[in-house]
Amino acid sequence: AQSVTQPDIHITVSEGASLELRCNYSYGATPYLFWYVQSPGQGLQLLLKYFSGDTLVQGIKGFEAEFKRSQSSFNLRKPSVHWSDAAEYFCAVAAGGNKLVFGAGTILRVKS
Amino acid sequence: EAQVTQNPRYLITVTGKKLTVTCSQNMNHEYMSWYRQDPGLGLRQIYYSMNVEVTDKGDVPEGYKVSRKEKRNFPLILESPSPNQTSLYFCASSRLATYTGELFFGEGSRLTVL
Repeated sequence: AQSVTQPDIHITVSEGASLELRCNYSYGATPYLFWYVQSPGQGLQLLLKYFSGDTLVQGIKGFEAEFKRSQSSFNLRKPSVHWSDAAEYFCAVAAGGNKLVFGAGTILRVKS
Repeated sequence: EAQVTQNPRYLITVTGKKLTVTCSQNMNHEYMSWYRQDPGLGLRQIYYSMNVEVTDKGDVPEGYKVSRKEKRNFPLILESPSPNQTSLYFCASSRLATYTGELFFGEGSRLTVL
């Protein structure tokens, strides 16, 4: 069965520091991979997606993610974190035509 | 403005009292889905619909019903709510019936069942 693992429940970074959020997936075929962000009290918003092609994908708000098939990973990165990036981040894999499987989420805290 | 609208946003109810959470989208999307979010579990799919009158179970459908009589609306029905259905619920929609993962989410409905 398809699954997504986000090993870090919480991460705290200083404002201006770089960020990497980890995501590992389990899926037999070529995956469609996504990162969503959830700000407090809000619904989820799509940050970026990978379907095929270039394994480094750019998203909104200065985020990027790299697909590594050999490691079954799709880690999210940002070179310099802003206080407004504090939120919960979800990695997800499209498993078949009608289903999106989410990881448990990583809560990002930004300290000034 | 393109949006998915859920109501109510907050609800406290008692065990066994039927309730409906409405969901409406104004983007003419074919695909709609309901998720519940619980701490440490991420989002789990309850039901989804690929088009009008077409619905199917997700991972956690027990205790829930849905209907899709119109393209824009996808209500979630709890016939006899129980405390284990206390959760944060999200409705989402997508343009394509063949799902690509580009979901638009509502702001969520926080339900407490006493």
